Amino acid sequence: TQLLEQSPQFLSIQEGENLTVYCNSSSVFSSLQWYRQEPGEGPVLLVTVVTGGEVKKLKRLTFQFGDARKDSSLHITAAQPGDTGLYLCAGDAGLTFGTGTRLTIIP
Amino acid sequence: DSGVTQTPKHLITATGQRVTLRCSPRSGDLSVYWYQQSLDQGLQFLIQYYNGEERAKGNILERFSAQQFPDLHSELNLSSLELGDSALYFCASSPQQGGRSPLHFGNGTRLTVT
Repeated sequence: TQLLEQSPQFLSIQEGENLTVYCNSSSVFSSLQWYRQEPGEGPVLLVTVVTGGEVKKLKRLTFQFGDARKDSSLHITAAQPGDTGLYLCAGDAGLTFGTGTRLTIIP
Repeated sequence: DSGVTQTPKHLITATGQRVTLRCSPRSGDLSVYWYQQSLDQGLQFLIQYYNGEERAKGNILERFSAQQFPDLHSELNLSSLELGDSALYFCASSPQQGGRSPLHFGNGTRLTVT
């Protein structure tokens, strides 16, 4: 079974600050996806990264896939309260989800 | 709206009982996935069906079973319920059985076992 470890588990920062969350594995993944989940709702896809070293940007969110395709990071610039949520990485076509990072942005 | 419908939204039952959770996938999606989420944690993959056939199995207990019907809706059956089965159960669908297709999630069924 492939495992995806996310860090930190919890993160609470002030509005306007920058942050990075990580998704790590000892296994190689052909692609990784990032989802955001808000209370009372199911996860919603943010991005899919497929090539080692790939960087994708979604407004203030920057996603990177590691060169060896074993890890990924999500960087948020100038965080806003609307970024609050549970961030999940996923690999193996949805069969493996990470442990999650609970992000809280304080206004 | 993801297009994935899960019913019921909430379910409260007693230990030892059996319940059925239902999922209607997005129109055109052939693949259905079931997940369990406990206490704000990550998602635990339970089982996947594609066009009526089981395709992958995760950490699903023997007390749990699922099926996908010809109209592509799916049901997750949980029996001999225990307190530890209390969780959010999510269904997701995608057009294909693997690859890079995004998963579209329903809003979950919150199961409380008392």
